[in-house]
Amino acid sequence: GQQLNQSPQSMFIQEGEDVSMNCTSSSIFNTWLWYKQEPGEGPVLLIALYKAGELTSNGRLTAQFGITRKDSFLNISASIPSDVGIYFCAGQHLYGGSQGNLIFGKGTKLSVKP
Amino acid sequence: DAGVIQSPRHEVTEMGQEVTLRCKPISGHDYLFWYRQTMMRGLELLIYFNNNVPIDDSGMPEDRFSAKMPNASFSTLKIQPSEPRDSAVYFCASSLQYNEQFFGPGTRLTVL
Repeated sequence: GQQLNQSPQSMFIQEGEDVSMNCTSSSIFNTWLWYKQEPGEGPVLLIALYKAGELTSNGRLTAQFGITRKDSFLNISASIPSDVGIYFCAGQHLYGGSQGNLIFGKGTKLSVKP
Repeated sequence: DAGVIQSPRHEVTEMGQEVTLRCKPISGHDYLFWYRQTMMRGLELLIYFNNNVPIDDSGMPEDRFSAKMPNASFSTLKIQPSEPRDSAVYFCASSLQYNEQFFGPGTRLTVL
């Protein structure tokens, strides 16, 4: 099946640092989503992007829909301990006017040292 | 507002037994999705429904898996017979727009 390349796989950072992660695909997506999953819980939607070049913020989180429509970036500014978790990107194709299924990246595991 | 509700949260069973996972979507949502999450394969879509009708079940691993949605507020995912390789976390998600899916807390299934 189709795959999204999400990097990095894991990050260990100091509290207060900024974080960047990204997802790339070999094919074009028409939607990019970013989710966060904490241990023992389901993924929680953080940001949804629908247009190439779109830049959207949610508090300290900012995500961008790449201009080529093949990538997306998530930045977290001034990290805090509660940012710990696994961050997933998800992309969706548009096939002849019909929406394809969401395809998820393998996740970026974020650890924050106080 | 209540989110997606799944039960049980944990299930431990023996190989060969039937397993039934349950999901109550968010009220008013017309899409319901079943996913499986493992370390090796990540999040995989198994099946999804729109207005209680199964639309795409191409992700269902094999005939041992079946899913139903008898009404807008309830869905089941059944595995019969279960096998150790079915051990995973199973998530139900629902949405009003197809792509902004809200996930439940998951059911952690262990098949011994």
